[in-house]
Amino acid sequence: AQKVTQAQTEISVVEKEDVTLDCVYETRDTTYYLFWYKQPPSGELVFLIRRNSFDEQNEISGRYSWNFQKSTSSFNFTITASQVVDSAVYFCALNAGGTSYGKLTFGQGTILTVHP
Amino acid sequence: DTGVSQNPRHKITKRGQNVTFRCDPISEHNRLYWYRQTLGQGPEFLTYFQNEAQLEKSRLLSDRFSAERPKGSFSTLEIQRTEQGDSAMYLCASSSSEESEAKNIQYFGAGTRLSVL
Repeated sequence: AQKVTQAQTEISVVEKEDVTLDCVYETRDTTYYLFWYKQPPSGELVFLIRRNSFDEQNEISGRYSWNFQKSTSSFNFTITASQVVDSAVYFCALNAGGTSYGKLTFGQGTILTVHP
Repeated sequence: DTGVSQNPRHKITKRGQNVTFRCDPISEHNRLYWYRQTLGQGPEFLTYFQNEAQLEKSRLLSDRFSAERPKGSFSTLEIQRTEQGDSAMYLCASSSSEESEAKNIQYFGAGTRLSVL
């Protein structure tokens, strides 16, 4: 069985602060993929990044960066110099393939509020 | 290229009524997923179609729930004899078959929010 835990329910920061969203996962599969999605108030989940279990290189995309550490089963997401438009709910998700037919297992989500 | 479209966006119904939601995936995608999201939680998987074949159903999908994808294009999710516990956001996602099921990126619609009174 797969499990994703996002221990931070809500985070509140002031604009321009850096913020890190934590994600810890559990799976017995050796091949799996991790994802981050953003859910703005409109409700649509927006894909942000995908990472496979064999690639532990950190990734940076503009103000976003991701730190994948297989040893601690974590896939954390950092927003640098946060902006009000970053306010949303962020979900970490796991897809272990195998017999799961590609279904995503999501964490509970972290509500990020960026104040001006 | 339009994204995943879901209709209606909101549905209010009385307990015991039947409701049907529609999902139109991205046109070239042959994989389609339904998820349910309750307040303060992440989406939970309900069912998966590859073309018109329903390949997996979650235990969450009780006998009152049925999903179809008759021609491998749009999909419908029907809930019969709705209960207050069915109140949730119902999300549809689609993906292409160019990559493995584990690797593929699922693209989501904006969801249908169901309120059962």
